[in-house]
Amino acid sequence: GQNIDQPTEMTATEGAIVQINCTYQTSGFNGLFWYQQHAGEAPTFLSYNVLDGLEEKGRFSSFLSRSKGYSYLLLKELQMKDSASYLCAVRDVGSTGTASKLTFGTGTRLQVTL
Amino acid sequence: NAGVTQTPKFRVLKTGQSMTLLCAQDMNHEYMYWYRQDPGMGLRLIHYSVGEGTTAKGEVPDGYNVSRLKKQNFLLGLESAAPSQTSVYFCASSRLAGRYNEQFFGPGTRLTVL
Repeated sequence: GQNIDQPTEMTATEGAIVQINCTYQTSGFNGLFWYQQHAGEAPTFLSYNVLDGLEEKGRFSSFLSRSKGYSYLLLKELQMKDSASYLCAVRDVGSTGTASKLTFGTGTRLQVTL
Repeated sequence: NAGVTQTPKFRVLKTGQSMTLLCAQDMNHEYMYWYRQDPGMGLRLIHYSVGEGTTAKGEVPDGYNVSRLKKQNFLLGLESAAPSQTSVYFCASSRLAGRYNEQFFGPGTRLTVL
């Protein structure tokens, strides 16, 4: 099975940098995803890591260390619209038909303040 | 492209009633998924499908049935609703192969069982 941990809530100031951590313990690993979910809306894909290292995408970066079972999402130049929940999800190695099964953490609610 | 759509958006049921949630995607994705999202629990996989005519159980399948008669549609059924099934239900789909194979989510169905 999979066990994924992330902080429940974080607060940061507009224009600042925030790092959201995710640790996981899994029976199999085939990639880690970060999703953003605004209140009352659907999750939307932010980033994907399968190899160790940093993936950068504009203001957002994601890091993975497979040996430590650890990832973080880094948000730079925070904006008010970044207030949302950030979900960490680990993909299983695949079972039936190699479907892309994900196990999600409970999410980190980020509040950006003035 | 509409992406992933879900019908209905909201529903209130009485205990013991039945209903079907419809998910449709126009991206020609092979894989489709049904999740439920509860406060403090994160997204949990109910059932998934790797192709037309095939379905498989996820993490929390009890009390639900699914069908995938057409590639673009994935139906979730509740035969006898219980208050414990009060939740937000999300459908998602993903490609057979690709760089990320990320899941695309529908807008959700908010179900209350009284």
